Amino acid sequence: GENVEQHPSTLSVQEGDSAVIKCTYSDSASNYFPWYKQELGKRPQLIIDIRSNVGEKKDQRIAVTLNKTAKHFSLHITETQPEDSAVYFCAASGTGTASKLTFGTGTRLQVTL
Amino acid sequence: DAGVIQSPRHEVTEMGQEVTLRCKPISGHNSLFWYRQTMMRGLELLIYFNNNVPIDDSGMPEDRFSAKMPNASFSTLKIQPSEPRDSAVYFCASSFEQYYGYTFGSGTRLTVV
Repeated sequence: GENVEQHPSTLSVQEGDSAVIKCTYSDSASNYFPWYKQELGKRPQLIIDIRSNVGEKKDQRIAVTLNKTAKHFSLHITETQPEDSAVYFCAASGTGTASKLTFGTGTRLQVTL
Repeated sequence: DAGVIQSPRHEVTEMGQEVTLRCKPISGHNSLFWYRQTMMRGLELLIYFNNNVPIDDSGMPEDRFSAKMPNASFSTLKIQPSEPRDSAVYFCASSFEQYYGYTFGSGTRLTVV
């Protein structure tokens, strides 16, 4: 089955700096890669996703890049703000009825003033 | 849309008691997932359904855990008998095919004493 590794497990940046979280996956058939943000005590929420026919996707201050050859994808947050502090999860899956998302172990991002 | 609705939000029970967690997915979604989240193990997929049919229950830890989805708008996760190590936050999520990402419920925080 799919295996997703995520690094780093914790990340501390100063407000205004950029943050990068990286994930690798094992199943070359995976073609859907979402990212979730989970604030303390709340549910994981989808913030951005990318499909295998796209190498990069951007939404305001967040962007995701995908390298299918190397089987890795990354989340980039620019101009970080205190409200970006949360745990971020990457995930990967194939498509089709029997597919499921496999999540990474999460990155705790702390944005300091 | 009210999103994925879980009940109860909090449950405290004594060891040995039966616990039933409930989930109402988003109308029109045909896939439903049960996750357990702990600090030690992160997000663990317990079981998921597609069109009300269980597809993969390999994550269910023991026979004490069971899940049902009698119709498209309701699912239950039952633990009988409960044990202290079952204490965790249990999330339900739904999607219209996982390709479009999961929407998580608010979770049920279970404490077994």
